[in-house]
Amino acid sequence: DTGVSQNPRHKITKRGQNVTFRCDPISEHNRLYWYRQTLGQGPEFLTYFQNEAQLEKSRLLSDRFSAERPKGSFSTLEIQRTEQGDSAMYLCASSLGWDREYGYTFGSGTRLTVV
Amino acid sequence: AQTVTQSQPEMSVQEAETVTLSCTYDTSESNYYLFWYKQPPSRQMILVIRQEAYKQQNATENRFSVNFQKAAKSFSLKISDSQLGDTAMYFCASPGYSTLTFGKGTMLLVSP
Repeated sequence: DTGVSQNPRHKITKRGQNVTFRCDPISEHNRLYWYRQTLGQGPEFLTYFQNEAQLEKSRLLSDRFSAERPKGSFSTLEIQRTEQGDSAMYLCASSLGWDREYGYTFGSGTRLTVV
Repeated sequence: AQTVTQSQPEMSVQEAETVTLSCTYDTSESNYYLFWYKQPPSRQMILVIRQEAYKQQNATENRFSVNFQKAAKSFSLKISDSQLGDTAMYFCASPGYSTLTFGKGTMLLVSP
């Protein structure tokens, strides 16, 4: 197991297009988190899954955003009708349960640029 | 809502010197850990050090140590003998009910 994997690493898209990102967590981790990070800011929580169930969504996750984790393994984050304000780094992280002691393991992120 | 405040957007230090990054937090959790993460330029975020709130002894990991003041809800990171590879964004994180809340980060630049 090589850690949390995110694809693609970079994505440039035109405003109004749809994009989808993928995250493969550490295999034994049942929790998966999506965060967004804009330039010079800390990660902001978007949503998280425990197994295949999406348990929490932040108000940052507008109707244009949807996330899935169909079999409790990998997850996808889709943004429809992208806007320039969606340009950010999208970070995925995973943990074994709510790992209060060890925190998260992060992926390298997907950097989205909307032009 | 949980809040994490890092009041130093940028800091600079020379190699071999010591630097302290500050963080204050607010959590309603009773038993929790606090975390410092490091994010080097264009690389993934990695855990640097963590502190259990019930432990009075400050955590230490090699050149990294924390100064944890529970009553003041302060959790600063001290880096001793700074190295060029320490150049990175550093984020403090504190727990909410089910997720971590991160500060805005401190950009640390270590120069020769």
